[in-house]
Amino acid sequence: DAGITQSPRHKVTETGTPVTLRCHQTENHRYMYWYRQDPGHGLRLIHYSYGVKDTDKGEVSDGYSVSRSKTEDFLLTLESATSSQTSVYFCAIRAGGGTGGNQPQHFGDGTRLSIL
Amino acid sequence: EDQVTQSPEALRLQEGESSSLNCSYTVSGLRGLFWYRQDPGKGPEFLFTLYSAGEEKEKERLKATLTKKESFLHITAPKPEDSATYLCALTGANSKLTFGKGITLSVRP
Repeated sequence: DAGITQSPRHKVTETGTPVTLRCHQTENHRYMYWYRQDPGHGLRLIHYSYGVKDTDKGEVSDGYSVSRSKTEDFLLTLESATSSQTSVYFCAIRAGGGTGGNQPQHFGDGTRLSIL
Repeated sequence: EDQVTQSPEALRLQEGESSSLNCSYTVSGLRGLFWYRQDPGKGPEFLFTLYSAGEEKEKERLKATLTKKESFLHITAPKPEDSATYLCALTGANSKLTFGKGITLSVRP
């Protein structure tokens, strides 16, 4: 196991409510990522972090925000959830070093989020 | 823009029937090509990294190969426990990981 815990594992909520997903790692890795996985699409990057308080947007960042106040925790927030954000969300981590992204990312087991 | 295309979308094999999964790609400055296995309800599990054309990696019944345009995941004498979705992904000059849509493999006993 990659030492990644995602919580909650399942959540059902209503449109318009705020939702926060948590990713916790025990590997002390520098890089952390949030992806969503939907049928017919590959995994798509939402946001990522390259250090404490250092974050940047991915390809599907609209409607999402993130925070990283400690190395081990990376939070994904949906400020006002919409039905289009129903998905499975995965957190990933990657060690630093190497040549910009030539090391593999390791994934948690995901959060299944349903927005009614 | 980096692109990854996997084929076929789904593959059904009889136990012991060897086959290959294809990953075609276009990328600006390949830094790494990755293969993952994903079981239902789980996150992707890392299998291999390939860095340059001609490179090969092996693990049990799986062998991954890389050319300048494609990567193959060869499965020799598969068993039912090899049933899963196999994901191909790559990192290019922008250091972002781009995934294909995956190939769902079913191996019948």
